[in-house]
Amino acid sequence: DSGVTQTPKHLITATGQRVTLRCSPRSGDLSVYWYQQSLDQGLQFLIQYYNGEERAKGNILERFSAQQFPDLHSELNLSSLELGDSALYFCASSVFSGRSSYNEQFFGPGTRLTVL
Amino acid sequence: DAKTTQPNSMESNEEEPVHLPCNHSTISGTDYIHWYRQLPSQGPEYVIHGLTSNVNNRMASLAIAEDRKSSTLILHRATLRDAAVYYCILRDVENDMRFGAGTRLTVKP
Repeated sequence: DSGVTQTPKHLITATGQRVTLRCSPRSGDLSVYWYQQSLDQGLQFLIQYYNGEERAKGNILERFSAQQFPDLHSELNLSSLELGDSALYFCASSVFSGRSSYNEQFFGPGTRLTVL
Repeated sequence: DAKTTQPNSMESNEEEPVHLPCNHSTISGTDYIHWYRQLPSQGPEYVIHGLTSNVNNRMASLAIAEDRKSSTLILHRATLRDAAVYYCILRDVENDMRFGAGTRLTVKP
């Protein structure tokens, strides 16, 4: 158990819909990262927040957005869903912002999103 | 971003050592070499990282070539639980992690 929790575990929805994925980082971790893992694209970095502020952006679509709240939990919002958005979405957390040689990321169990 | 190259898959026998190679010929002086692994149906987990010197921890050893253009993750005695996809990642202190395809390790009893 990494200490990172993600809800829900599974989500099934229809094209065009909007969903929210939630992540609670490990106690004391200030950074939260979101990743998408699909069969054809592998594990892709989406976005990082550090202490409430956006820190880095990866391959995140404009239809996707995220935020980190004062209690440090984070939400990933996916809208206008398409079949290709079906994937595993992982959240990870770490102590540092990224400016450290040792910045181990602890991953949650993931949310499996199925878009029908 | 500097890129890594790993074999798609490898096989090992249980209780034998495993050497997982990674090539990173375009590594820069500030890039650290990180290894993560992803067990079936789980999120990735940290294994080890290093800069220039070889590193050991309770999970594995990391051997880094003198020119830093390649590295090898060593599992000293593979167990069935070590069957996973192993990712070799380069990152400097500013970079976020960019995963490649990794090496799928199969451990045979």
